[in-house]
Amino acid sequence: DTEVTQTPKHLVMGMTNKKSLKCEQHMGHRAMYWYKQKAKKPPELMFVYSYEKLSINESVPSRFSPECPNSSLLNLHLHALQPEDSALYLCASSQDLGDNQPQHFGDGTRLSIL
Amino acid sequence: ILNVEQSPQSLHVQEGDSTNFTCSFPSSNFYALHWYRWETAKSPEALFVMTLNGDEKKKGRISATLNTKEGYSYLYIKGSQPEDSATYLCASVRGAQKLVFGQGTRLTINP
Repeated sequence: DTEVTQTPKHLVMGMTNKKSLKCEQHMGHRAMYWYKQKAKKPPELMFVYSYEKLSINESVPSRFSPECPNSSLLNLHLHALQPEDSALYLCASSQDLGDNQPQHFGDGTRLSIL
Repeated sequence: ILNVEQSPQSLHVQEGDSTNFTCSFPSSNFYALHWYRWETAKSPEALFVMTLNGDEKKKGRISATLNTKEGYSYLYIKGSQPEDSATYLCASVRGAQKLVFGQGTRLTINP
C-alpha cells in the first residue's frame, strides 16, 4: 500500500468544469510534488512545494493551480482544461529537497477531459 | 547528452536469467541519480538514490552502479523472477529535487 494517497483515482470532466485533485501524506515529509504523465512518456515535473511554499513551477499553464494548505496536503485545482490535459497526474513527497532523498509516489489520478 | 536516455526500451528475459540495462544522463552539474520500479496499476517505488561516482548499491537481487564522469548508470537484476516485471525508470536530479526522468525500460519476465 502506498503511503501517499491520491483522490480521486479517476476523473472525467468537461472543459468548462472546475475540479480538484487531492494528495495526502502522513510521513512528515516537507516537500511535495505534482507530475503529469502522458501515455508512453515519462513523468514530467509540474510543481514543487517545500515547507508549504511553492518552490518550482515548471511553466505550467494557469489553468492548473496548486495549493498546499498544510504540510500533509497538496491540492491541484483544475479549471478550463483542454483535451490535451488528459493524463495521469502523480503526486509525490520526500523528506525535504535534499538531492539524496527518494520520492514516494501515490497511485495517481487518471484525468480525462471531454 | 542533454536528456536522460534509457536502453533498451523493452526487454524480455527468461525466468532465472540475469539482466541489466542502462541509464545515460548529462555528466555536467551532477547532483544525484534515482532509480524507480513502476509496476502496472501501482505507484512508482524508489529503488536507489545514488550520488557518488563509483557507487554501487544493492537491494536483494537488484543492484546499481554509477559513473558520474561519463554519465551512466547500470541496473542489474540477478536470477529474474516474474515479480520483477515492471518498468524501470531512472531520473537525473537537476537541483533541488527537480527530477528529469528517462523513458524507462519495460522488463517482462517469461516463466
